[in-house]
Amino acid sequence: QSALTQPASVSGSPGQSITISCTGTSSDILNYNYVSWYQHHPGKAPKLIIYEVNNRPSGVPDRFSGSKSGNTASLTISGLQAEDEADYYCSSKGSHTRVFGGGTKLSVL
Amino acid sequence: QVQLVESGGGVVQSGRSLRLSCAASGFDFKVFGMHWVRQAPGKGLEWVSFISADEVEPLYADSVKGRLTGSRDNSKNTLYLEVNAVRAEDTATYFCARDGPHWDVDFWGQGTLVTVSS
Repeated sequence: QSALTQPASVSGSPGQSITISCTGTSSDILNYNYVSWYQHHPGKAPKLIIYEVNNRPSGVPDRFSGSKSGNTASLTISGLQAEDEADYYCSSKGSHTRVFGGGTKLSVL
Repeated sequence: QVQLVESGGGVVQSGRSLRLSCAASGFDFKVFGMHWVRQAPGKGLEWVSFISADEVEPLYADSVKGRLTGSRDNSKNTLYLEVNAVRAEDTATYFCARDGPHWDVDFWGQGTLVTVSS
């Protein structure tokens, strides 16, 4: 199964908002509301920040939000902070497995 | 708290085999499915394998089917990944991760790096 498509990089200034897109197919995002997002600071364990398209686990700030339209999911981070600089990955339920996106590097300028 | 600690990585010669381990603590390991996910240098995450709580029919990515074998020992709270006939493309950091209740992966380890040498 092919990886989900994400932009390689996005950037923003502190306090601004950014959105990362994640495009899939009818085998994954289009047919399932099981999109999750992960924050990964290199060298550390990835962290779940969004599940089921738009739900936040306990402890994740409400600056992080998710949405989906058709076969594209999106992660929006508002009020950017320096510590948000990391790699972000989307994932979706696939036909019988999981599929991840290629990752997006967020730079906070 | 939930802890997942991978081990067994290192430099391995092409064609040889290795076994990775993941020690779990802080939760009831035997009732959770577990995943292996890898990340090649400079690349994104790649889902590799899922092993259910009762180890029935492990699932594998097409890219590794037949060469990688996932297993678990619930009495030792440990997850394993056997990699046979390693290839250059197996060079990656291997993460173990807990299956979440919403088709997500809710906890991850920090990973163990495997480097395949020729």
